[in-house]
Amino acid sequence: SQTIHQWPATLVQPVGSPLSLECTVEGTSNPNLYWYRQAAGRGLQLLFYSVGIGQISSEVPQNLSASRPQDRQFILSSKKLLLSDSGFYLCAWSLGLASYNEQFFGPGTRLTVL
Amino acid sequence: AQSVAQPEDQVNVAEGNPLTVKCTYSVSGNPYLFWYVQYPNRGLQFLLKYITGDNLVKGSYGFEAEFNKSQTSFHLKKPSALVSDSALYFCAVKQPGGYQKVTFGTGTKLQVIP
Repeated sequence: SQTIHQWPATLVQPVGSPLSLECTVEGTSNPNLYWYRQAAGRGLQLLFYSVGIGQISSEVPQNLSASRPQDRQFILSSKKLLLSDSGFYLCAWSLGLASYNEQFFGPGTRLTVL
Repeated sequence: AQSVAQPEDQVNVAEGNPLTVKCTYSVSGNPYLFWYVQYPNRGLQFLLKYITGDNLVKGSYGFEAEFNKSQTSFHLKKPSALVSDSALYFCAVKQPGGYQKVTFGTGTKLQVIP
């Protein structure tokens, strides 16, 4: 069966510090991968998605970047964190390009920028 | 452009009573529709989806949803609510054809009262 891991689970970082959040998927190949941010426990904002190694699409211009160095690894990064980067970050995966495939979410990372 | 609306921020229902969480959508053509549930500090879990065919879709944990094309709605239902159903519920929509990002609603908090 497929599983998705995210770490760390929680993170407290000072403004201006770098960030690296990691997501890995097990039990599947060539997944589509997604990074979302959830603010205030509500709406989800799609940040990045990837349909293959090295292929990253950005949905919203921001202080963050993403990379996919391996098929089942997705990394969210920042060189300098802003207060507004605080939130709950969710990684997700889906199979193939078919629009009707559901997404499977990781447990999330709670980021607090002070 | 696709959009989805969840008109109720919160729904309260007594344990054992039927529950409905409302969702309406706007999309060009026939939609793919999804429901997800999120427990506190956790990732989203897929409940069910509508692709085509029977308007009544059955999903996990006894939930079902009814697709109504004329009313552009996809309401989530359960005949008898459990206290453990208390969570945040998200409706989502995708437009068929190629890669299309999923658009999530803002979420409805379901509170089942013992």
